[in-house]
Order: sequence, then structure tokens, then C-alpha cells
Amino acid sequence: AQKVTQAQTEISVVEKEDVTLDCVYETRDTTYYLFWYKQPPSGELVFLIRRNSFDEQNEISGRYSWNFQKSTSSFNFTITASQVVDSAVYFCALTGQTGANNLFFGTGTRLTVIP
Amino acid sequence: DTGVTQSPTHLIKTRGQQVTLRCSPISGHKSVSWYQQVLGQGPQFIFQYYEKEERGRGNFPDRFSARQFPNYSSELNVNALLLGDSALYLCASSSRGDALEPQYFGPGTRLLVL
Repeated sequence: AQKVTQAQTEISVVEKEDVTLDCVYETRDTTYYLFWYKQPPSGELVFLIRRNSFDEQNEISGRYSWNFQKSTSSFNFTITASQVVDSAVYFCALTGQTGANNLFFGTGTRLTVIP
Repeated sequence: DTGVTQSPTHLIKTRGQQVTLRCSPISGHKSVSWYQQVLGQGPQFIFQYYEKEERGRGNFPDRFSARQFPNYSSELNVNALLLGDSALYLCASSSRGDALEPQYFGPGTRLLVL
């Protein structure tokens, strides 16, 4: 069974601080894919990044970076120099190698960046 | 390019009624998936359709049904509404519906059942 755990329910930081959002996953699949999505107050989920289980290279995109560690089943997301526009709910999600591409989501972390 | 569109944006129904939600995928995308997001939770997978065929179904009762049309748009139907069906219903599209593809979500339909 697939499971994603985001233990941090809510995080508040002051603008320009760095923040890391944790994600731990469980799966029996040998091939799987991990995703991060951002959900602003408007409700629409915005795709941020995808990582497959064979690629453990960390990735950086502007102020965003992701750390994938297969040994600890974690896929953490760091925002550097946070901005007010980063305030949103962030979801980590997982798909396996079955036919359907159903995403298994965590419960999300609500990030509030205080000006 | 137009993203995923959903209609209506908001809906209020009473218990026992039926509802139909609509979704148009990104142009060129052949796969549509539906998710239910209850307040304070992550989205839960309901259905995936690819090329008008059901490819996957989540753990939802038979009151939930869906279909995909030749133009790849989709409808989600929920019969005999319960209070617990109140949620944000999200539609997502991808080009091939593979597990490795990112899914692109619409703004959702907020359903309130009274």
C-alpha cells in the first residue's frame, strides 16, 4: 500500500527565512514517482516537481530545492529566503508502477510566511 | 494555452439529490482523473479515465460514477448525496495517464451538501 506522511501540519516563518517541509513515504513498488504540489488559497493544485525512484540527485530550481533520500524514504522540500507569496498548503504525493496514475497525497503542510 | 477547466465553481445541494460536475482537460491531454478533497485533508483519488475507458478507481461507493467523452472532457456524477460528500472536487489531466507524468489540476468545484 502507498502512504505519504507529512508530519508538519502548520509552519510559520518570517519573510526571508529558510524553511524545510518534510515528506516520508511508504511503498512496496520498486519503481515509483514522487511529486510536490502547491495549493494556494484559490484551491488549484500547482505542480512543482517530479522525482523518480531511480534518481536520487537533489534538485534546485531558483529558491526551491528538493532532497530525495531513498534510504530514509524521504523527499523533503526547502524554500530559501521565503516570501509572502510562498504562503500556501504544500502536498507531497506518490504514484506507483500500476496502470492508473492515481496520486496518493499526504495531508499537507500549511506554510505561512509573515512579512 | 488554456489549463484544466471545471464547472460549476460552486454548488449547493441537499441530501439525497444528484450532482454532475464537468471537466475539460488541457488541449492534447487524453487522461482525466478526479479527486475529492475534504477540508483539511489531501486529495483522494476517485477515478481515472484514458481514451474514454476507466483505468482506475479509488475506494469510493457506487454512488460515484464518471465518464469521458470523445473530446476527452469528463463528467463526475454523484447520486444520493450525503453530508459527507461536501468537499472540493478536483479534476486533473495528463497526456498519456502514465504514473510518471505530472497531473495538471483545475480550480475545482466546491460542493456543499445541506
